[in-house]
Amino acid sequence: AQTVTQSQPEMSVQEAETVTLSCTYDTSESDYYLFWYKQPPSRQMILVIRQEAYKQQNATENRFSVNFQKAAKSFSLKISDSQLGDAAMYFCAYRSLQYQGGSEKLVFGKGMKLTVNP
Amino acid sequence: NAGVTQTPKFRILKIGQSMTLQCTQDMNHNYMYWYRQDPGMGLKLIYYSVGAGITDKGEVPNGYNVSRSTTEDFPLRLELAAPSQTSVYFCASLSGGEGYGYTFGSGTRLTVV
Repeated sequence: AQTVTQSQPEMSVQEAETVTLSCTYDTSESDYYLFWYKQPPSRQMILVIRQEAYKQQNATENRFSVNFQKAAKSFSLKISDSQLGDAAMYFCAYRSLQYQGGSEKLVFGKGMKLTVNP
Repeated sequence: NAGVTQTPKFRILKIGQSMTLQCTQDMNHNYMYWYRQDPGMGLKLIYYSVGAGITDKGEVPNGYNVSRSTTEDFPLRLELAAPSQTSVYFCASLSGGEGYGYTFGSGTRLTVV
């Protein structure tokens, strides 16, 4: 079974600075998706960015980018020019591309709380 | 387009009571899921469905039941509430065969006392 590990339960960053959130995963599969979700105090789960394992190019969405190291099974999220609105829980998640009885399940890490200091 | 709608948003139950958490999606998605979120534990899959009439257990199904009579609805039933079921519950849906993440509902905070 796949597992996702977020080893840092909390981090803080100064407004306008850059912060990197780490995530590692364990899988024997070669094709999969990886995601970062943001959960602000409103509780809503918001998709931040996704990465297809077959793509070597790292995904980027505005101030958010990932460092995907497939061999090391590492998937870190970099937030540039941090803003107060970035304060939230961040979850790393894995989804298999291989057929699993059609479940398309997401496997989540335990999450990390990001604080942004003004 | 409402997406995934969960009701209620908050609920307090007494031990032994029963309730149903409602989940409806209007995107004609085949796949639907129920997760629970406990502090510091991430999200754990309770049940999922790959289409109307088809459901299966996830990682933590004990104490819960589901049904999927229509594509739109995927209610989660708690029959005999226990304090261990105090959690935040999320419903989510997915079209299937695409590389995007789920569409989540806004969650239900359930407290069992």
